[in-house]
Amino acid sequence: GESVGLHLPTLSVQEGDNSIINCAYSNSASDYFIWYKQESGKGPQFIIDIRSNMDKRQGQRVTVLLNKTVKHLSLQIAATQPGDSAVYFCAETHLNDYKLSFGAGTTVTVRA
Amino acid sequence: DTAVSQTPKYLVTQMGNDKSIKCEQNLGHDTMYWYKQDSKKFLKIMFSYNNKELIINETVPNRFSPKSPDKAHLNLHINSLELGDSAVYFCASSQRGRSTADTQYFGPGTRLTVL
Repeated sequence: GESVGLHLPTLSVQEGDNSIINCAYSNSASDYFIWYKQESGKGPQFIIDIRSNMDKRQGQRVTVLLNKTVKHLSLQIAATQPGDSAVYFCAETHLNDYKLSFGAGTTVTVRA
Repeated sequence: DTAVSQTPKYLVTQMGNDKSIKCEQNLGHDTMYWYKQDSKKFLKIMFSYNNKELIINETVPNRFSPKSPDKAHLNLHINSLELGDSAVYFCASSQRGRSTADTQYFGPGTRLTVL
């Protein structure tokens, strides 16, 4: 699979490989984290979330990992497909807050 | 049966004009939001209303004024448009808003271009 150690704005992935998208968050008080996918010409779409009392959460072909010690979040996509090509955003917030703070997005391009 | 809809999808206008963007959600949600996405795709919250009450008002020029006639609608009016206002504006809604564990559902965006 292909991965990004630090946040990079773009990621090119071979179809069928696994992808890892990284995100560093800034607020140590944040206790709820979300990954969004934004396809070209559309609004962001919820993918998966995780609360700070968890280290890992799995969805359909996606897994989110949370490392609170280093304030790092990652999204793993298994068997990347052409339809996964999009911009991916992590967002952080506190559960008592209304505000989501979005990170810089990562543009994922899937090569056939 | 679109969940969150915005009009118009594209808006091209001259500097100095006043324009409005409309947003409607049919999800029965209590909270609605406006975000601005710049050319580098950076998304930033501007405003949020919960049951017609303004609950988030970020550092936004007062040329921007949100209006919520009812909890299903949140409109954004922009006076004296400037070049720097060119961006994609997204409306979103969430069910209760007391906790952001409520997923935010985004509209398709309005691309505003100021000439």
